[in-house]
Amino acid sequence: GEDVEQSLFLSVREGDSSVINCTYTDSSSTYLYWYKQEPGAGLQLLTYIFSNMDMKQDQRLTVLLNKKDKHLSLRIADTQTGDSAIYFCADLDGGNKLVFGAGTILRVKS
Amino acid sequence: DTEVTQTPKHLVMGMTNKKSLKCEQHMGHRAMYWYKQKAKKPPELMFVYSYEKLSINESVPSRFSPECPNSSLLNLHLHALQPEDSALYLCASSPFETDTGELFFGEGSRLTVL
Repeated sequence: GEDVEQSLFLSVREGDSSVINCTYTDSSSTYLYWYKQEPGAGLQLLTYIFSNMDMKQDQRLTVLLNKKDKHLSLRIADTQTGDSAIYFCADLDGGNKLVFGAGTILRVKS
Repeated sequence: DTEVTQTPKHLVMGMTNKKSLKCEQHMGHRAMYWYKQKAKKPPELMFVYSYEKLSINESVPSRFSPECPNSSLLNLHLHALQPEDSALYLCASSPFETDTGELFFGEGSRLTVL
């Protein structure tokens, strides 16, 4: 079945850029998603990208998609302490089920 | 109103108890979901309702029983649970039918089974 993999931990200094990486296996993916989960809270959809796009920018967030390598990344510019959270990459599989990666814990040091 | 509201936020129950988790949204969304999330793990899909009909059941044990009384409400009835069922239970909704990954999540109900 579909598999989505992420690095587990990223630590950055406040003001730096963060780059969270994700790889997926489903070559028929049409949309790929990034969700954020703050401690003790539910998930929040941050952004998504359509598979025929290479890049999508939304304020401090930039999503890059390399469809050939099945690689997705989320760049957060000027990372703030409020960005500390778990970030999940997700792909919609053929059965319309959202497949999540394991999540990347982002720690922002002030 | 752009929220998915879940109650209770915390629930402690014994293995012989019967309890329910409740989820409510007033965004007019027609697809609603239950997910289970263990600590430091991604959410796992349990059930999906589309237009108040159960459309996906991910082979969840029968001690979990979902119910969708109307388009705004989703319940999860719990009976004879096991300690390993302790987790964060997340409800989500979507404005589209189920072929989407754009979900709005509630804050979750943290369940502890003693």
